[in-house]
Amino acid sequence: GQQLNQSPQSMFIQEGEDVSMNCTSSSIFNTWLWYKQDPGEGPVLLIALYKAGELTSNGRLTAQFGITRKDSFLNISASIPSDVGIYFCAGQLQGGSEKLVFGKGMKLTVNP
Amino acid sequence: DTGVSQDPRHKITKRGQNVTFRCDPISEHNRLYWYRQTLGQGPEFLTYFQNEAQLEKSRLLSDRFSAERPKGSFSTLEIQRTEQGDSAMYLCASSLLGGTGVKAFFGQGTRLTVV
Repeated sequence: GQQLNQSPQSMFIQEGEDVSMNCTSSSIFNTWLWYKQDPGEGPVLLIALYKAGELTSNGRLTAQFGITRKDSFLNISASIPSDVGIYFCAGQLQGGSEKLVFGKGMKLTVNP
Repeated sequence: DTGVSQDPRHKITKRGQNVTFRCDPISEHNRLYWYRQTLGQGPEFLTYFQNEAQLEKSRLLSDRFSAERPKGSFSTLEIQRTEQGDSAMYLCASSLLGGTGVKAFFGQGTRLTVV
């Protein structure tokens, strides 16, 4: 089936540092979404992207929809302890299906 | 502001028993999705409704699984004759038809443990 390659799988950073993560695929996507999930909870939507090249911010978070429509990245600036969690990318494939394909997640640890 | 609500949050059942989960989407949303998530993985798509019509099903949705959305509002996911491999987090999401693409909001999930 379709897969999203999300990297890195985990990061350990100091409070105040910036973080970057990305997702790539061999398939073309119409939509890219970024979610954060805390243990035992459902994913929380952070940013939604709908156009190739689109750059969108949500507070300290910035995400971009890749020009080729096969990738996306998420940046977190000036990390704080509450940024700890698992970040997932999700994409809606070109072709009309409503399903989202998810990456395996990036576990972020922030040391105060 | 009411988000997607799922009930129960946790369910422990014995192998072979049937279980049913409920999802109440965001009230104005007409699309409803079910996903399954196992430890260390991202959510995997199971099925999707537009209003009361079930429009897409994954191959993951075996014959033991059935989902309904009888009046286009809440939805139920039933698993018959549960197996240990069914242990997972079952997530429901909803979205509003229209716009440029899917914008799915997830509930808190139902954690199923089959013993």
